[in-house]
Amino acid sequence: ETGVTQTPRHLVMGMTNKKSLKCEQHLGHNAMYWYKQSAKKPLELMFVYNFKEQTENNSVPSRFSPECPNSSHLFLHLHTLQPEDSALYLCASSQDEAQYFGPGTRLLVL
Amino acid sequence: GQQLNQSPQSMFIQEGEDVSMNCTSSSIFNTWLWYKQDPGEGPVLLIALYKAGELTSNGRLTAQFGITRKDSFLNISASIPSDVGIYFCAGRRFSGNTPLVFGKGTRLSVIA
Repeated sequence: ETGVTQTPRHLVMGMTNKKSLKCEQHLGHNAMYWYKQSAKKPLELMFVYNFKEQTENNSVPSRFSPECPNSSHLFLHLHTLQPEDSALYLCASSQDEAQYFGPGTRLLVL
Repeated sequence: GQQLNQSPQSMFIQEGEDVSMNCTSSSIFNTWLWYKQDPGEGPVLLIALYKAGELTSNGRLTAQFGITRKDSFLNISASIPSDVGIYFCAGRRFSGNTPLVFGKGTRLSVIA
């Protein structure tokens, strides 16, 4: 238990569906991150939020839409995804230095 | 963009053996982190290093922040079956909540 929770843990969706991934951190951290992890690729940073403000968008397609309502919660809204978007989506949080990851959401797009 | 070269890519070892893996970069880093990821789970932080030359242990794990600040290594002594997983190095070039750069991982298999 790292203090970062993610729901759902598994998700199967069609290309026309809209779904949301949720992340919550119980560590009092001020930064939160979304990463994408595909097979045989390094972790890919998607978005960074510092004090609820988005500070980095790593050229992510607009079919991924993040939302950070407060410093403890982070969402990733998904719509009209493609099969190549199937991956493990990881949330992380940090306070200055080390990042702590959640267990991830395994997403399959059909 | 930034890249970390992590090696080896994979290792098969006998239970009880020691393991060593490393990460190198062409750029200087301020922070080095080592993570372990089990199948279907997120990476778990093992060791964090913040100063050049720093040597830190966590049980049977030992990691060092290279003097040049361009490399780091992780050693696992007397490996056991539960050490199986993927080990990632990560570095940060600047202090604070700046993005980490990750290596591609070392997949460790332990033969009992």
